[in-house]
Formats: sequence, structure tokens, C-alpha cells
Amino acid sequence: SQQGEEDPQALSIQEGENATMNCSYKTSINNLQWYRQNSGRGLVHLILIRSNEREKHSGRLRVTLDTSKKSSSLLITASRAADTASYFCATERPHLTSGTYKYIFGTGTRLKVLA
Amino acid sequence: DVKVTQSSRYLVKRTGEKVFLECVQDMDHENMFWYRQDPGLGLRLIYFSYDVKMKEKGDIPEGYSVSREKKERFSLILESASTNQTSMYLCASSPPEGVAYEQYFGPGTRLTVT
Repeated sequence: SQQGEEDPQALSIQEGENATMNCSYKTSINNLQWYRQNSGRGLVHLILIRSNEREKHSGRLRVTLDTSKKSSSLLITASRAADTASYFCATERPHLTSGTYKYIFGTGTRLKVLA
Repeated sequence: DVKVTQSSRYLVKRTGEKVFLECVQDMDHENMFWYRQDPGLGLRLIYFSYDVKMKEKGDIPEGYSVSREKKERFSLILESASTNQTSMYLCASSPPEGVAYEQYFGPGTRLTVT
């Protein structure tokens, strides 16, 4: 089952506007990551936020984490046509038999930025 | 820059064929992963490996096997391809936990089974 669920499934905005997408998860986490995927390509890591952090910035990206609500949001400010992509959140889950971790991805938000 | 490469971008195979998908990373990462991506289902973990010759089942291992004989290479094997294995397959690698958690992805292989 998917740990993370993104909302909305699809978002269409005008260039220059801000885009906000949300991720909810079910179990406690050590960190949460956001990835971007351009059409038909692999995923690219954007930002990681740890469970003891509430907010993190990277360029035009702002990520918040609310562990009490088990949710995170990704804000892209002053969006550009090049931001058109799918965005995924990912959380880690301990793999009990190996002692390592596996990553659980949500179903993604498809963002379209219109020029 | 970390580079993860996959042997093919597009692949068409017939039902019942044995299919090999190869993934190579050049950053000496311990962990490697195979996912499949389907519309509306996101990425689902098939298998992962945290060391040479070590493998662990992910969430959907049925119909797949893997091989990791060398640290840089992680192969996904479809023993007898079926049409429901038509999908985008993504390989990823990452350093061991505690160092970093970021996963580096390859460009993906779009497999069609007819």
C-alpha cells in the first residue's frame, strides 16, 4: 500500500503563480522527501525534510512538515513553464528483516504551468 | 554527478520471453532499487539490494527476480513475461542510511509485453 498520498492529483496554473501540493502519510517517519519527474523520465530529488524540522527552503521551493497531522506540503513560488512535471513525496519505512529501509512513494501530483 | 544508467529506454517483448533489465550506477552506492510505475498507482517497489549478493523483496515481487553480482550492477529479471508486466521500470541507487537518504534514479525503461 502507498504510504504517501499527494493532493491534488493534478494542478494547472499560470506562469508566475505559486503552486502548492500536499502529501499525507500514515505511520511515523524519520524524514520525508520530495521528487520531481519530467514526462517519461526518471525522478530527481528536490528536498528532504527531517521529522524534527518544520520548514525547509531550497531556492523557489518551500517544504513544510506537520508530524502531528502526518502531512507535508511543497510550495513552488513564481512558477515557470519548466516546472511542469509530476511531483512525488516519499517516506522511508524500516525493513525489519534486513535492518535497512525502503522508500514508499505516493501517486504524485501532475503540475502544468501555462506560459 | 551520480549517474544511474539503464540498458534500454524502450523494450518490446513477447509473452513468455525471459527479460533482463540492467541497471548500473557509478557512485559506489550500497543500496539499489527496482520500481515499476503505472498510471494512478505511483511507484511500487519490486526488489531492493543493500549489498552485493543481498536482495530483499519489495511490495510486488511476484513474477520478478533480481541479481546483484557486482556492487555497481543490479539486474531485474522477468522469468516469463506477461502482458500485465507492461510498465515503466525505474532503477535507483542510494548511499547507506545515516549518510544520506536521497535516491538517484535512472531514466527508466518502458517495457511493452505483447
